[in-house]
Amino acid sequence: KAGVTQTPRYLIKTRGQQVTLSCSPISGHRSVSWYQQTPGQGLQFLFEYFSETQRNKGNFPGRFSGRQFSNSRSEMNVSTLELGDSALYLCASSWPQDEPTGELFFGEGSRLTVL
Amino acid sequence: GQNIDQPTEMTATEGAIVQINCTYQTSGFNGLFWYQQHAGEAPTFLSYNVLDGLEEKGRFSSFLSRSKGYSYLLLKELQMKDSASYLCAGLNQAGTALIFGKGTTLSVSS
Repeated sequence: KAGVTQTPRYLIKTRGQQVTLSCSPISGHRSVSWYQQTPGQGLQFLFEYFSETQRNKGNFPGRFSGRQFSNSRSEMNVSTLELGDSALYLCASSWPQDEPTGELFFGEGSRLTVL
Repeated sequence: GQNIDQPTEMTATEGAIVQINCTYQTSGFNGLFWYQQHAGEAPTFLSYNVLDGLEEKGRFSSFLSRSKGYSYLLLKELQMKDSASYLCAGLNQAGTALIFGKGTTLSVSS
């Protein structure tokens, strides 16, 4: 059974640009969450989607957005990139039940560097 | 707020036992999780406590006291491969998000 797949794995952007990251969850998983990981702040919750609906959003500015498609694949977008957006962006999927247990299956992440 | 606190670093030797503590505000969480993350890899699930008490899973055990806002992860018979970051996380009431602590980096030496 394939795991969570994130693309691209690495990317370099400059300030002011925008970026789109993609996540394909484990087959059958309907909940997809996004996290930002930095050395100083650790793992911080960005948002969670279930059946194409955003159910929860973390404390990030509106430059961070996401969406989920009918096949459960998800994308997140960051506009007007800032140096501080350099981080590892992790996607995680969870069990298909309506109420997730919290056991998340993480992808390898997309490492974004903003110059 | 939903702060989760855990020590930044810990060291131990092979074969020893280590306990990694995690404290959190008693309101706002519906379950406490522990994840392991090796350098350069994705976090992987270790354990989940929703009720008070000890959950044992092989060399790893996790304890929760909801009234005290306290959890710990106990690692026995430490091995070099246990060197990793251990992340404590609380599940929000809606069950839609895990709120992570900053992680405890454990270094196991021979």
